[in-house]
Amino acid sequence: DVKVTQSSRYLVKRTGEKVFLECVQDMDHENMFWYRQDPGLGLRLIYFSYDVKMKEKGDIPEGYSVSREKKERFSLILESASTNQTSMYLCASRPGAGYTFGSGTRLTVV
Amino acid sequence: DQQVKQNSPSLSVQEGRISILNCDYTNSMFDYFLWYKKYPAEGPTFLISISSIKDKNEDGRFTVFLNKSAKHLSLHIVPSQPGDSAVYFCAASARAGYALNFGKGTSLLVTP
Repeated sequence: DVKVTQSSRYLVKRTGEKVFLECVQDMDHENMFWYRQDPGLGLRLIYFSYDVKMKEKGDIPEGYSVSREKKERFSLILESASTNQTSMYLCASRPGAGYTFGSGTRLTVV
Repeated sequence: DQQVKQNSPSLSVQEGRISILNCDYTNSMFDYFLWYKKYPAEGPTFLISISSIKDKNEDGRFTVFLNKSAKHLSLHIVPSQPGDSAVYFCAASARAGYALNFGKGTSLLVTP
């Protein structure tokens, strides 16, 4: 089975901090994605990547950046965390038509 | 601009009865549709999918129906079980490999 691992289940950060969310997949997939999930808003696409060093903006990229230096690792970066970035962050890897998701990182910005 | 819409935020069904979750989409280029199930504090897990060349796909208690002319799909769960209580997300994409567009989710509660 494909495994997508997000390094932290829960994080608490202060406003203005730079935050790194890490995601690793173990199946050599080219496509990786970052979403955030908020009540009443569903899953919204932040950034995605089709290959190493490639990145594409999703629907809500503002305040975020990403890094894909190696195929298996896709990092989401909050340049200066704000309280409105408190959310559940979900990483996914995609071999074909469907996704495999990680367990999520619940980020709270105080 | 929401291209995938789940208009019912919540649904409550008795155990043993049928659960029907609905999903509408606006983009006629979508040709692959999926349902994901999500428990609190966990990532979504894949449930069932259907491509636009079919109008029905069945997997055990779960059946997905696609009506392309109406741009509508539905997920039927028969019989419903308390363990099915979760948030269900409908998702769609144009061609495999493209990013998935998700609906806002429907919270299903199956009561004993």
